[in-house]
Amino acid sequence: GAGVSQSPSNKVTEKGKDVELRCDPISGHTALYWYRQSLGQGLEFLIYFQGNSAPDKSGLPSDRFSAERTGGSVSTLTIQRTQQEDSAVYLCASSAWTGDAFFGQGTRLTVV
Amino acid sequence: AQTVTQSQPEMSVQEAETVTLSCTYDTSESDYYLFWYKQPPSRQMILVIRQEAYKQQNATENRFSVNFQKAAKSFSLKISDSQLGDAAMYFCAYRTTSGTYKYIFGTGTRLKVLA
Repeated sequence: GAGVSQSPSNKVTEKGKDVELRCDPISGHTALYWYRQSLGQGLEFLIYFQGNSAPDKSGLPSDRFSAERTGGSVSTLTIQRTQQEDSAVYLCASSAWTGDAFFGQGTRLTVV
Repeated sequence: AQTVTQSQPEMSVQEAETVTLSCTYDTSESDYYLFWYKQPPSRQMILVIRQEAYKQQNATENRFSVNFQKAAKSFSLKISDSQLGDAAMYFCAYRTTSGTYKYIFGTGTRLKVLA
């Protein structure tokens, strides 16, 4: 596609529910990143996929968070048993092997 | 571990004037990339400018230029002839050239442009 696409744009969920956030990277990009941006804060690294290599999951804050990338393209970030502190904007980015990262518009998650 | 620090939470500039945003970083690596990203209210991060650490020449992109001081681990962004559309959050970022190519971001500087 022309750019990185994320869905949904906004998501409101009840505390304790599971949510799935989707990222469609730029076609042909081998690297995919997930970041979390809490209100007024910088970007916190969550996970990085590169081709067929094992992902770098070092940024995932707890075992309630997981992500997968199917067929080297679309990625899904799943948050189980959501908590209020999970409320944030979740940003996805993709890049060519070592190229610049291009970001999507993010998903704003609100846990009530 | 690498860190990126932006010590100016907010800056203001008069339209058509010049403003400089500061960024310092810490690393033990000799080869890396540095970036400035702009985030308008639309939330989408937009790449403004990139600097390769092995290049001594400072990067420029139209009205945007950097002052890269490798020994001091400083990477400031200068915006010339500021425009209303420049108003946004600006994030400084570091990326290694080996291993995981993850980006490490500073906490951002909010730039206000006054008409």
